[in-house]
Formats: sequence, structure tokens, C-alpha cells
Amino acid sequence: GENVEQHPSTLSVQEGDSAVIKCTYSDSASNYFPWYKQELGKGPQLIIDIRSNVGEKKDQRIAVTLNKTAKHFSLHITETQPEDSAVYFCAARNDYKLSFGAGTTVTVRA
Amino acid sequence: SAVISQKPSRDICQRGTSLTIQCQVDSQVTMMFWYRQQPGQSLTLIATANQGSEATYESGFVIDKFPISRPNLTFSTLTVSNMSPEDSSIYLCSVPGIEAFFGQGTRLTVV
Repeated sequence: GENVEQHPSTLSVQEGDSAVIKCTYSDSASNYFPWYKQELGKGPQLIIDIRSNVGEKKDQRIAVTLNKTAKHFSLHITETQPEDSAVYFCAARNDYKLSFGAGTTVTVRA
Repeated sequence: SAVISQKPSRDICQRGTSLTIQCQVDSQVTMMFWYRQQPGQSLTLIATANQGSEATYESGFVIDKFPISRPNLTFSTLTVSNMSPEDSSIYLCSVPGIEAFFGQGTRLTVV
């Protein structure tokens, strides 16, 4: 089955700086890669996703890149704000099943 | 995008009892997924609920412990049976589609 690895497990950044989270996947058949933000006590919220036929996607301060050859994808958050503090999960989907990374706890320091 | 509603949002239950969690989707979907998120952990797929057939369980999860119903294309339930403190988790349902959305989850605490 699919194996998704996510790094780093924790990330502390100064407000206004950028944050980067990286994930690798094992199954070359995976074709959909969503990112979720989870705040304390809430379910994961889809913040951005990318499909295997696209190399990069951007939505305001958030961007995701995908390298299919290397089987890795990354989340980039620019101009971080305190409300970006949360746990972020990457995932890879193959045959309708999502496999998740272990999560990254992002703390934005004011 | 699908709207997914889960009930209850949270519950505190006594060990040995069972809790049934409901998931309602605002559109018809062939498959619904149930996930578990243990404290401080990532999400793990419990089973896939298909309308008109038995659910398909992932390794480590069994029907006796997590019976699932799927009476129609917009609704599913997950029961956590004979609960122990180790079952304390967030349980989430999800539907496949162009985008992968989750319900807000059910936070279960077993005491």
C-alpha cells in the first residue's frame, strides 16, 4: 500500500516568514495530493490540493508543488500569520483511498 | 463540494458501552470512508462503506468492533462497540470525489 512520509514533525517560524512542509509517497499510481489544516478540536480542513498532471498550484499565500518523478510534494506558506498555527497533514490518494502523513505542528511566533 | 455532517460532535462514554456515529452527505455518493485519529496521531482508515454491500475493513479493524451501516447513498453510521479507553479518538467520515472532504468529526472520550 501507499506510504506517506512528512517532514518536519514540528516547525516554528517568525510571523511574516515562510513555512515549508515536505512529503514523499511510495506508490507511483497515486494521483491526487491534498493538504489539510487541523485546528485544535476540529476535523481536518482541505486547504489546497494538486493532481498528478500539474506541477504547481497556488492559492493566495499557499502553494503546493509536485515532483512526480521523485515522488514528493511540498506545501509552502508565505507571509505566515498567527492564525496559520495548526497541524498540517499531507495525503496521497490511490484508488479512492487516502494515506496520510504523520502531520506537522506549525507554530507562528508573533 | 460536498457538505458532510456528523453527529454527535463529541461524547463521553463509559467503558463497555457502544456509541453510534452518524454521517450525512448532501449529495449521493457511492462510497463513504470512516477514519480514526487517535490523540496526537495522523488519520487511519477504518473501513469503506458501500451502499448495498458490506463494508470493507482495513487491516487491524474488524466488523464486530466497528459495525457500519449504509442504508442509502447519503447516509452511514459507524458504531464503536464495547468501548475501552483506547478507543478515545476523533472519528471522521469522508467521501471521495474531485476533492476529498471530511466531516467535522466526532470526539470520543471513553472513561
